[in-house]
Amino acid sequence: GAGVSQSPSNKVTEKGKDVELRCDPISGHTALYWYRQRLGQGLEFLIYFQGNSAPDKSGLPSDRFSAERTGESVSTLTIQRTQQEDSAVYLCASSSPIAGGGETQYFGPGTRLLVL
Amino acid sequence: SQQGEEDPQALSIQEGENATMNCSYKTSINNLQWYRQNSGRGLVHLILIRSNEREKHSGRLRVTLDTSKKSSSLLITASRAADTASYFCATDAGTSYDKVIFGPGTSLSVIP
Repeated sequence: GAGVSQSPSNKVTEKGKDVELRCDPISGHTALYWYRQRLGQGLEFLIYFQGNSAPDKSGLPSDRFSAERTGESVSTLTIQRTQQEDSAVYLCASSSPIAGGGETQYFGPGTRLLVL
Repeated sequence: SQQGEEDPQALSIQEGENATMNCSYKTSINNLQWYRQNSGRGLVHLILIRSNEREKHSGRLRVTLDTSKKSSSLLITASRAADTASYFCATDAGTSYDKVIFGPGTSLSVIP
């Protein structure tokens, strides 16, 4: 595809409900990242997928958060029993590793989640 | 904990002035990148500097890297209102798979 896409672009949910966010990376990109960005804040790393390696889940804030990726394609981030503190923009980025590292991350437009 | 930390947190300048933002990091890196985020949008990659480089230019952007001080600076010359955005530095963690970690960002406002 032309770029990283995310859906939905906006999501309003009630406290306690589960939500699922989707990310479609750029075709051929083996690396995929999920970040959370609260209003006026920086990016908070959540999880990192790289090829067939075990994902780095060190940034997930609680066991209510989980993510999966099918091969080197679409990824879903699931938040169970949402809380108001989960309200944020969830950004996905993909990249293709290059020799020496430092590959550019290409970001999607984000999903704006509001938990009422 | 953050690998990279930008300062200042917020910067306001007049159009035409230069803007300088700094980034400090904690552990050894292979690369350092700067990204820009316009309000409500995704991040866009600006420039990458490798650990064996000291300075790099791209248009009105100038990036320096001092590995002895574990710091980098981003200079935007002749700023424009369109430069108003948040700027983030991103460093790898020095691990084999080069996971990239972003700092909290500097919010730049360029006043016309």
